[in-house]
Amino acid sequence: GAGVSQSPSNKVTEKGKDVELRCDPISGHTALYWYRQSLGQGLEFLIYFQGNSAPDKSGLPSDRFSAERTGGSVSTLTIQRTQQEDSAVYLCASSLNRVYEQYFGPGTRLTVT
Amino acid sequence: GNSVTQMEGPVTLSEEAFLTINCTYTATGYPSLFWYVQYPGEGLQLLLKATKADDKGSNKGFEATYRKETTSFHLEKGSVQVSDSAVYFCALILNNNAGNMLTFGGGTRLMVKP
Repeated sequence: GAGVSQSPSNKVTEKGKDVELRCDPISGHTALYWYRQSLGQGLEFLIYFQGNSAPDKSGLPSDRFSAERTGGSVSTLTIQRTQQEDSAVYLCASSLNRVYEQYFGPGTRLTVT
Repeated sequence: GNSVTQMEGPVTLSEEAFLTINCTYTATGYPSLFWYVQYPGEGLQLLLKATKADDKGSNKGFEATYRKETTSFHLEKGSVQVSDSAVYFCALILNNNAGNMLTFGGGTRLMVKP
């Protein structure tokens, strides 16, 4: 079946603008995760959803970052007033529930100029 | 806190050479351990996993054994191929009430030359 999909695949934005990144998990997967992959910081956890609720937001780096999930499916990660240090590949993963393996999407490469 | 340390790359090998990529971890409790692989231009894929001490995960000729006494999960392959060239990430999950977020090592780039 279809895997995790993310859009856009690439996004270039100017410093100070807001961006929205989208993740479509595998159908039926209740758990959804956002990670960030950057040169300086490696792979970092951002936020976890179980259904539509986010019991763990501990990885969000600042209050400029927010995420939501609707209908237990699609999730959107929003970054407000982007900064150059936000440049990274944003990865989404989903799993059947929180104890199962995570399947990753191809990522969105964000470049802030 | 929890952390994963893996050898820095790049690791450059000739085809058919033996591969070891070291991985050690620090965790409060008993984690599940994973190796993920990222081929050029592709997303992260689960390569293998082990959920308890002395378990051996294996896939595509790769193996790793969960060693609780040395807190290690080294990745090995007896004979690498050019197609194994990729970045390899060691990771752990600690079961807790909040969720199973992965904690990753820094990644090790493997380059296999013909």
